[in-house]
Amino acid sequence: DSGVTQTPKHLITATGQRVTLRCSPRSGDLSVYWYQQSLDQGLQFLIQYYNGEERAKGNILERFSAQQFPDLHSELNLSSLELGDSALYFCASSPLGSGDTQYFGPGTRLTVL
Amino acid sequence: QKEVEQDPGPLSVPEGAIVSLNCTYSNSAFQYFMWYRQYSRKGPELLMYTYSSGNKEDGRFTAQVDKSSKYISLFIRDSQPSDSATYLCAMSAGQAGTALIFGKGTTLSVSS
Repeated sequence: DSGVTQTPKHLITATGQRVTLRCSPRSGDLSVYWYQQSLDQGLQFLIQYYNGEERAKGNILERFSAQQFPDLHSELNLSSLELGDSALYFCASSPLGSGDTQYFGPGTRLTVL
Repeated sequence: QKEVEQDPGPLSVPEGAIVSLNCTYSNSAFQYFMWYRQYSRKGPELLMYTYSSGNKEDGRFTAQVDKSSKYISLFIRDSQPSDSATYLCAMSAGQAGTALIFGKGTTLSVSS
């Protein structure tokens, strides 16, 4: 158990809908990262937050957004869902924001029908 | 050219074999190198963490980094069926605002 929690474990929804994925980092970790993992693309970095502020952006679509709250938990919002958004979404946390190891949560499996 | 290249396998070995997993990269700014293990689409689990060049050993696992060749390796000695998983290399330049870049992973199967 990495100490990073994610809810829900599974999510099934329809195209065009909006969902929110939630992540709680390890105790004391200030940085939260979001990744998308699909079968053909591997682990793709989406976005990073450090102590409430956006720190880095990767291949995140405009339909996706995230935020980190004062208690350091984070939410990833996915809207206008498409079939191709079906994937595993992982959250990771690290103590700082650069160079240190990231600890991954168990993931949320999103299925868009 | 992708920033990080990793042979996807699959790699099948008998129990007790020595396994070598490798990644190459193109960005000379990478300084931090990690190996993660992922079982059946579960969350990746950190195995090894190395800064800059050199070797690091932890039990049956040894990580090697050769920055001059832009090449990293993970060796698993006395492989066990429980080592069957996908192994992901990851690396970072370490500066604020940079992210971990992952290889696509190598799937390993160890048969008893």
